[in-house]
Amino acid sequence: DSGVTQTPKHLITATGQRVTLRCSPRSGDLSVYWYQQSLDQGLQFLIQYYNGEERAKGNILERFSAQQFPDLHSELNLSSLELGDSALYFCASSVGKQGSSGNTIYFGEGSWLTVV
Amino acid sequence: SQQGEEDPQALSIQEGENATMNCSYKTSINNLQWYRQNSGRGLVHLILIRSNEREKHSGRLRVTLDTSKKSSSLLITASRAADTASYFCATATGANSKLTFGKGITLSVRP
Repeated sequence: DSGVTQTPKHLITATGQRVTLRCSPRSGDLSVYWYQQSLDQGLQFLIQYYNGEERAKGNILERFSAQQFPDLHSELNLSSLELGDSALYFCASSVGKQGSSGNTIYFGEGSWLTVV
Repeated sequence: SQQGEEDPQALSIQEGENATMNCSYKTSINNLQWYRQNSGRGLVHLILIRSNEREKHSGRLRVTLDTSKKSSSLLITASRAADTASYFCATATGANSKLTFGKGITLSVRP
């Protein structure tokens, strides 16, 4: 158990809909990361927050948005969903703002999203 | 685009044998990390090696890093069936040390 909690574990929704994925980082971790894993694209970095502020942006679509709240939990909002958005979405956390300069990044179990 | 490229893509060995997986990357890195993923599960962090380190050990795992060749290897000694999983290398680059993952290696350990 990494200590990173993600909900829901599984989600099935229709095209055009909007969903919200939730993440609670490990206790004491200030950085939260979101990754998308799909068969064709592999593991793609979406976005990073540190202590409530956006820190780095990756291959995140404009239809997607995220935020980190004062209690450090984070939400990833996916809207106008398309079939190709079906993937496993991971949240990860680390202690520091430069997550990988020496700090380990811990991953949650992921949220399986299926768009039908 | 993928920064780390693992090799081979798939590896099948007998229990008790050693498994060696390689990772090559293109640009300078801050550190390199190896992760394991069991089917449909989350990523489990195995080991982190900084750019100024050449070798690290953790239990049955040994990781080497050659920054001149921009490559790393993960050795799992005395493999077990429970080691069956996908293994990813991830490179941390840039001021924010963003992690970029390779496509992964599928390791099958036959009992």
